[in-house]
Amino acid sequence: DTGVSQDPRHKITKRGQNVTFRCDPISEHNRLYWYRQTLGQGPEFLTYFQNEAQLEKSRLLSDRFSAERPKGSFSTLEIQRTEQGDSAMYLCASSPGQGRQPQHFGDGTRLSIL
Amino acid sequence: AQTVTQSQPEMSVQEAETVTLSCTYDTSENNYYLFWYKQPPSRQMILVIRQEAYKQQNATENRFSVNFQKAAKSFSLKISDSQLGDTAMYFCAFMKASGTYKYIFGTGTRLKVLA
Repeated sequence: DTGVSQDPRHKITKRGQNVTFRCDPISEHNRLYWYRQTLGQGPEFLTYFQNEAQLEKSRLLSDRFSAERPKGSFSTLEIQRTEQGDSAMYLCASSPGQGRQPQHFGDGTRLSIL
Repeated sequence: AQTVTQSQPEMSVQEAETVTLSCTYDTSENNYYLFWYKQPPSRQMILVIRQEAYKQQNATENRFSVNFQKAAKSFSLKISDSQLGDTAMYFCAFMKASGTYKYIFGTGTRLKVLA
């Protein structure tokens, strides 16, 4: 169990640029979640994958956001035309097939928009 | 929709003392799970303790225990013999026992343990 890995740890970019984050879940976990955490708030759910299928997307996930999980392994979260309001910590979590098991979180990717 | 409320933005406790963090939630579900997660500064969120709603017995994990009051929709965390390493943000989370099993988090309580 090497834990959930996220890359990069920190991303600084100019407004209007595109960014992509990567998450590698724990290898035997088929459930993968993305959350967004802004300063002073708890994490908010963005999207959920079961294997390669994206089964739920929050209304927070505007059309500038897209997530994929090809082959049910790692996942990517892309933000196009970044805005100031996108500045946040993006957390990835995974859990095993039973669903009722606790989620394991990565260190997160902190996005700063200049 | 479910909501989770943590009414204490910040708390402090002396080392070796006991502290209780509050969490209330709102749901019409009968089957669900509740969690406390700890997020140390600049480090990943880790699970502290979990409670299944169908279990009446309160969960305990070493120095950590919960007071789960289902009728009152209350789920407080008690930390005994506080240690400096307990300094962190603590988040209460709700998870419905069906569907996608996504978490609904509270806004967190920043706990500082004083030497």
